[in-house]
Amino acid sequence: GAGVSQSPRYKVTKRGQDVALRCDPISGHVSLYWYRQALGQGPEFLTYFNYEAQQDKSGLPNDRFSAERPEGSISTLTIQRTEQRDSAMYRCASTKTGGLAGGGVRLDNEQFFGPGTRLTVL
Amino acid sequence: QKEVEQNSGPLSVPEGAIASLNCTYSDRVSQSFFWYRQYSGKSPELIMSIYSNGDKEDGRFTAQLNKASQYVSLLIRDSQPSDSATYLCAVNSYFSGGYNKLIFGAGTRLAVHP
Repeated sequence: GAGVSQSPRYKVTKRGQDVALRCDPISGHVSLYWYRQALGQGPEFLTYFNYEAQQDKSGLPNDRFSAERPEGSISTLTIQRTEQRDSAMYRCASTKTGGLAGGGVRLDNEQFFGPGTRLTVL
Repeated sequence: QKEVEQNSGPLSVPEGAIASLNCTYSDRVSQSFFWYRQYSGKSPELIMSIYSNGDKEDGRFTAQLNKASQYVSLLIRDSQPSDSATYLCAVNSYFSGGYNKLIFGAGTRLAVHP
């Protein structure tokens, strides 16, 4: 089956413009995560959705960043009034399940990443 | 102190040797541990997950977990040039409400030379 897809793959924008990044998770995957990855670093958590509910947005850097997943499938990460420091690779990941069961660890919590969107703010 | 620490490398090993990649983490109650491989310009690819103390083997890969020492490692046997990549260690944050809010290390770059 198809993996996680993201669009656009590359986005170049001018400072001050708004951008919308799209993520289409693996079909049937309940949970969706957004990460940002700087060059030479590991992905950094931004936000998490369980179905359509945004359950954690603690990683969003400031109020210019927002995300939604209105029907529990495709998600959009929006950055308003972009700044040069927003330039990075934005990655989306999905998992089959949304949490733990009975206090144990569910083996189907493994996250699968999409190809990412490379955002460049000039 | 970083939450997940890895030696940035590069770790250089000859073809056929064992590559040993190490990771330490600070959250004592973390429950899930993952190793991702990331080729240059590509997305992270999950190669191993481990949840219990001890060893877990999958083909040429062995993950080792020691929760008391807050240490997780990845061994790659019979290293091949195609294993050359950055290996990311990821740990779940227990205080995440029960989901896998992963904290990643910066990665170790592995170079396998013929």
